[in-house]
Amino acid sequence: DQQVKQNSPSLSVQEGRISILNCDYTNSMFDYFLWYKKYPAEGPTFLISISSIKDKNEDGRFTVFLNKSAKHLSLHIVPSQPGDSAVYFCAAILYSSASKIIFGSGTRLSIRP
Amino acid sequence: GAGVSQSPSNKVTEKGKDVELRCDPISGHTALYWYRQSLGQGLEFLIYFQGNSAPDKSGLPSDRFSAERTGGSVSTLTIQRTQQEDSAVYLCASSTDGNPTPRYFGPGTRLLVL
Repeated sequence: DQQVKQNSPSLSVQEGRISILNCDYTNSMFDYFLWYKKYPAEGPTFLISISSIKDKNEDGRFTVFLNKSAKHLSLHIVPSQPGDSAVYFCAAILYSSASKIIFGSGTRLSIRP
Repeated sequence: GAGVSQSPSNKVTEKGKDVELRCDPISGHTALYWYRQSLGQGLEFLIYFQGNSAPDKSGLPSDRFSAERTGGSVSTLTIQRTQQEDSAVYLCASSTDGNPTPRYFGPGTRLLVL
């Protein structure tokens, strides 16, 4: 039973345009969400996070939106750059037991020139 | 380098053999996590060490899996009597005291059990 789902295994976006990566979760008790970025042969790198008390968090070109009623979050990257090509993992936790972070299966983002 | 390092990067073993995977966290990080990622799956939590507290082993899939952290630094994940379903990428991560989530991941050890 996947508690965190990334239904798009891959996404291709033209350089300069907006990339939107989506994530759905099933457990309404999750209170903290994170996005990680992973390049080949490297471990995931923390990108951005959001608490369930917020609906938006922005950091430079990256913005995460949270829709609690829909149990949906998304990561927006604008403008998309070639270096953004990577696999992006969505993750969710109960902050009281943060080690048991639940990851989605990832979306491979390719930025084309 | 200053990041999390893991060794070996790749390990091929025969079914039934024991394997040891090593993780060197970032110096000074008190929290250390082990995860594994099977093909096409998300990361699966295995075990969590925080300072001198008893580790959270609730994610270990069977008693063939064990981990220790010596001196609050290096950690070793041991898989005894490996099975083919143990084949996965094993990732280690570390974090500072004030952050309960894994922030810095190592490159992983790719384990293949034949």
